[in-house]
Amino acid sequence: GENVEQHPSTLSVQEGDSAVIKCTYSDSASNYFPWYKQELGKRPQLIIDIRSNVGEKKDQRIAVTLNKTAKHFSLHITETQPEDSAVYFCAASMIFNFNKFYFGSGTKLNVKP
Amino acid sequence: DAGVIQSPRHEVTEMGQEVTLRCKPISGHDYLFWYRQTMMRGLELLIYFNNNVPIDDSGMPEDRFSAKMPNASFSTLKIQPSEPRDSAVYFCASSFGLAGVAGELFFGEGSRLTVL
Repeated sequence: GENVEQHPSTLSVQEGDSAVIKCTYSDSASNYFPWYKQELGKRPQLIIDIRSNVGEKKDQRIAVTLNKTAKHFSLHITETQPEDSAVYFCAASMIFNFNKFYFGSGTKLNVKP
Repeated sequence: DAGVIQSPRHEVTEMGQEVTLRCKPISGHDYLFWYRQTMMRGLELLIYFNNNVPIDDSGMPEDRFSAKMPNASFSTLKIQPSEPRDSAVYFCASSFGLAGVAGELFFGEGSRLTVL
């Protein structure tokens, strides 16, 4: 099956700085890559996603990039704010089993005021 | 809509007891998923249903785990007998259409299970 690795496991940044979280995947059949944000004690929520026919997608301060050749994708958060502090999970699903998401191990982001 | 509703939010039980976790998906959603979250293994898909029919249960750890979806608005995940290593947060999620194609995966608040 697919193997998704996520780095770093923890990330601490100063408010206003940028944060980058990276994920790699193993199976070239993966073609959908969502990112979820989970605040402490809360449910994971989708914040952005990208499909394999697109190299980059932006939504205000959040962007995701995808490199299919290298099999990695990244989450970029600019102008970080304390409310961005949470655990972020990347995931991948494959063209023949869209419902089976393989999640990364998570990155705990701490934005210091 | 109130979103995906799970109960109980917290459950503490003793080893060997039966545990039943419940889920009400978002009305109109045709896919329902059960995930388990632990520090060691992260988020793992246990099983998912489409129109109340189990499609993929390859993530169910062993025969002690079973899941049912008797109708479109209710699902259960049962563990019998429970063991300390089952301690985790169990999330139910639902989507309208294939989660990776047309539908976003909506998670419930989770059920935190502690088996002593």
